[in-house]
Amino acid sequence: AQSVTQLDSQVPVFEEAPVELRCNYSSSVSVYLFWYVQYPNQGLQLLLKYLSGSTLVKGINGFEAEFNKSQTSFHLRKPSVHISDTAEYFCAVSPIFGNEKLTFGTGTRLTIIP
Amino acid sequence: DTEVTQTPKHLVMGMTNKKSLKCEQHMGHRAMYWYKQKAKKPPELMFVYSYEKLSINESVPSRFSPECPNSSLLNLHLHALQPEDSALYLCASSQGRGGRGEQYFGPGTRLTVT
Repeated sequence: AQSVTQLDSQVPVFEEAPVELRCNYSSSVSVYLFWYVQYPNQGLQLLLKYLSGSTLVKGINGFEAEFNKSQTSFHLRKPSVHISDTAEYFCAVSPIFGNEKLTFGTGTRLTIIP
Repeated sequence: DTEVTQTPKHLVMGMTNKKSLKCEQHMGHRAMYWYKQKAKKPPELMFVYSYEKLSINESVPSRFSPECPNSSLLNLHLHALQPEDSALYLCASSQGRGGRGEQYFGPGTRLTVT
């Protein structure tokens, strides 16, 4: 079984400041890792994914995340945020072998302050 | 093309009505999913179809009935719903067995049960 922890339920950040959204996971098997973004009244959009290889992955809209196996973390970062980044961000994992169920964290609400 | 479409966008139904939600993808994906999402919560998995067969039912009440007519289409039939069933219903798809676990989501159907 897998579990995902997003400790920060809300993160307020000033416009053009950097941001880091934290994600830690627990799993007895190897997993793929994902970040999804959900804008108000919309579905989820895949922001980036870690499948294998380089631990630093780049996604859409200037976001990047670093996989740290020893700390079982997959934190999301952006060097300079914009008003349009206001959204809910979900970290998720799925087992590499076996079913394709996504296990989501509880989400982090990113609010950009003008 | 990574688009999953869902209709209708909004649906209001009474507790005695019968209605259906529809989902379509043309990415050649062989796994399709229904999720329920309440406000400020992550999506909760309801059903998984793999190669057009129901592979996972997360103990969903029988008033929700999924159907997968072909590999591109997924329906969710609704009957005798309760007000607590009001939520955003999301459809997703993925490659299926041997894939990398990433799921692509539709924009959702906002369901209100009166």
